[in-house]
Amino acid sequence: GDSVTQMEGPVTLSEEAFLTINCTYTATGYPSLFWYVQYPGEGLQLLLKATKADDKGSNKGFEATYRKETTSFHLEKGSVQVSDSAVYFCALRAGGFKTIFGAGTRLFVKA
Amino acid sequence: DAGVTQSPTHLIKTRGQQVTLRCSPKSGHDTVSWYQQALGQGPQFIFQYYEEEERQRGNFPDRFSGHQFPNYSSELNVNALLLGDSALYLCASSFRHSNTGELFFGEGSRLTVL
Repeated sequence: GDSVTQMEGPVTLSEEAFLTINCTYTATGYPSLFWYVQYPGEGLQLLLKATKADDKGSNKGFEATYRKETTSFHLEKGSVQVSDSAVYFCALRAGGFKTIFGAGTRLFVKA
Repeated sequence: DAGVTQSPTHLIKTRGQQVTLRCSPKSGHDTVSWYQQALGQGPQFIFQYYEEEERQRGNFPDRFSGHQFPNYSSELNVNALLLGDSALYLCASSFRHSNTGELFFGEGSRLTVL
């Protein structure tokens, strides 16, 4: 079945460091891909999305490119801030109506 | 514009009891999905409601049931609670004609089963 695998956390970085969180997926057909973020005490919110191969989603300095050949959708940011500390979830929506989430990667950014 | 609201925010039950969780979708949304998020895990799809019908269901037993009302709000019911049902239950709303598939989440209802 469809699934999402993302790197385990926690990831601890200093402010202004470069961030990569790896995400790979297994799906039939051509899924839409998402990154959601969950700040402490809040619900999940969409960070960025890509709906077809080679699309790049971007928001708040974060980027991810839909790579069909490697079935990947890695999240990157060039310079993280303390306020980026949160849990990041990679997700896909293929056929049907459900969105499938990865296990999440917790990011800690130190000042 | 109110976002997705869920109630209650926290509740404690004992094994064997029943619980009802409530969700009001974001204004303009007509579809509600429910997810279970165990501690340290990603959300797991329970089911989705559209036009007051269960449209798709994940791998959850029949103890988990739901309902959608004409105003698009929804309830999640869990019967015969088990310790393993302790989790954060998330409601997500969307609009059926959205071509992005984006979900809008509430802050969740944290259920503890003792």
